[in-house]
Amino acid sequence: QSVLTQPPSVSGAPGQRVTISCTGSSSNIGAGYDVHWYQQLPGTAPKLLIYGNSNRPSGVPDRFSGSKSGTSASLAITGLQAEDEADYYCQSYDSSLSGSIVFGGGTKLTVL
Amino acid sequence: EVQLVESGGGLVQPGGSLRLSCAASGFTFSSYDMHWVRQATGKGLEWVSAIGTAGDTYYPGSVKGRFTISRENAKNSLYLQMNSLRAGDTAVYYCARAAIAVAGTDFDYWGQGTLVTVSS
Repeated sequence: QSVLTQPPSVSGAPGQRVTISCTGSSSNIGAGYDVHWYQQLPGTAPKLLIYGNSNRPSGVPDRFSGSKSGTSASLAITGLQAEDEADYYCQSYDSSLSGSIVFGGGTKLTVL
Repeated sequence: EVQLVESGGGLVQPGGSLRLSCAASGFTFSSYDMHWVRQATGKGLEWVSAIGTAGDTYYPGSVKGRFTISRENAKNSLYLQMNSLRAGDTAVYYCARAAIAVAGTDFDYWGQGTLVTVSS
């Protein structure tokens, strides 16, 4: 059971928009800690996609965007492409239990 | 170019020990906090340990007392000593660089991972 909750899977057709939610609590996202997102293509290491809730590292297309509100965060992908098919993870910090970095359980994005 | 290369994974019996290494290049290693993150096959990511630039260390309850993270700045290397290994520790272990020295920062660079299998 992950501290941050993500839907196990989402899907969309090429060109469509999809969103992936990440729900936390008052000890992590709700406490003001930043949320970061990673993309993991099959058989590869995770890659930073969004940092500090809504910032894109250099090289990440602006089709990817992040937002945060209250105890939740979201990753939105517009203009869906076949190459976006991957697992997506959110990450934050939890101040309970002596503090810990926490991840969501991951969401598998399928491009139909 | 930032590179992180893990090594040291392999097959170990339950109760055994293993030491992972991560060779860093392309940045001033001593200036960054470093972490280990693991991923069991078909499962999600799990934070395993962190070490600050001053050598301060942090662990989640699942590995505290069994795993020890360390660094050798002169060799641009990060280590993870894993003792009393259990089947549940079977995973790919990634080393990752913390972007900034703040609790809950993002990991801006990851290694390719090394597989640890705990089985008799």
